[in-house]
Amino acid sequence: GENVEQHPSTLSVQEGDSAVIKCTYSDSASNYFPWYKQELGKGPQLIIDIRSNVGEKKDQRIAVTLNKTAKHFSLHITETQPEDSAVYFCAAPGTYKYIFGTGTRLKVLA
Amino acid sequence: GAGVSQTPSNKVTEKGKYVELRCDPISGHTALYWYRQSLGQGPEFLIYFQGTGAADDSGLPNDRFFAVRPEGSVSTLKIQRTERGDSAVYLCASSLGLSYNEQFFGPGTRLTVL
Repeated sequence: GENVEQHPSTLSVQEGDSAVIKCTYSDSASNYFPWYKQELGKGPQLIIDIRSNVGEKKDQRIAVTLNKTAKHFSLHITETQPEDSAVYFCAAPGTYKYIFGTGTRLKVLA
Repeated sequence: GAGVSQTPSNKVTEKGKYVELRCDPISGHTALYWYRQSLGQGPEFLIYFQGTGAADDSGLPNDRFFAVRPEGSVSTLKIQRTERGDSAVYLCASSLGLSYNEQFFGPGTRLTVL
C-alpha cells in the first residue's frame, strides 16, 4: 500500500522568507498529490494540488513541484505572512482514499 | 456554496456509551469519506461511500465502528461501547465522485471519551 513521509515536522521562518515542505511516497502508480492547510480547530483546507502529468504548478505565492522518478513532491511558499502559520499536510491517493503525511507545523515569525 | 458540515462540533461521552456523528456533504457530491485524526497526526482513513454503498471500509478499527449513508447524501458514523482510545477528531470529506480526486473536508467533530 501507499506510504507517505513528510519533513520537516516543524518549520519556523521569518516573515517574508520562503518555506519548503517535502514529501515522499512509495506507490509509483499514484497520480494525484494534494496539499492541505489546517488551522487550529478547523478541518483541512485544500490549497493546491498537482497531477502526475506535470512537474510544477503555481498559484500566487504557493507552488508545488513533483519528481516522479524520485517519488518526491514539495510545497513552496514564498513571501510568507503570519497568516500562513498553520499545519500543512501532504497526501497521496491509495485507491481513492488519501494517505496523509504526518504534518508540518509552520510558524511565520513577524 | 455550502461546504461539508458536521454535527456536533464537540461531543463528550462516557466510556461504554454509544455515539453518532453526522456529516452533510457538499450538494451533488456522490463520494463521501470518513477520516480520524489523533492529536499531532495526519488524518487516517476509516471508510468511504460511493452513493449509498460502502465502497471500502478497511480503515474501520473494529466492529464497534459502523457508518451508513442510506439515501446517498447524509452519512452517520456510529460508535458503540466507546473507549477512551476513540477520542479524536472525526473528519468527513466529499468529492464529486470516486474518479474525482479533490476531497473537501468538513470542520470535524471532536470526540472526547471520559
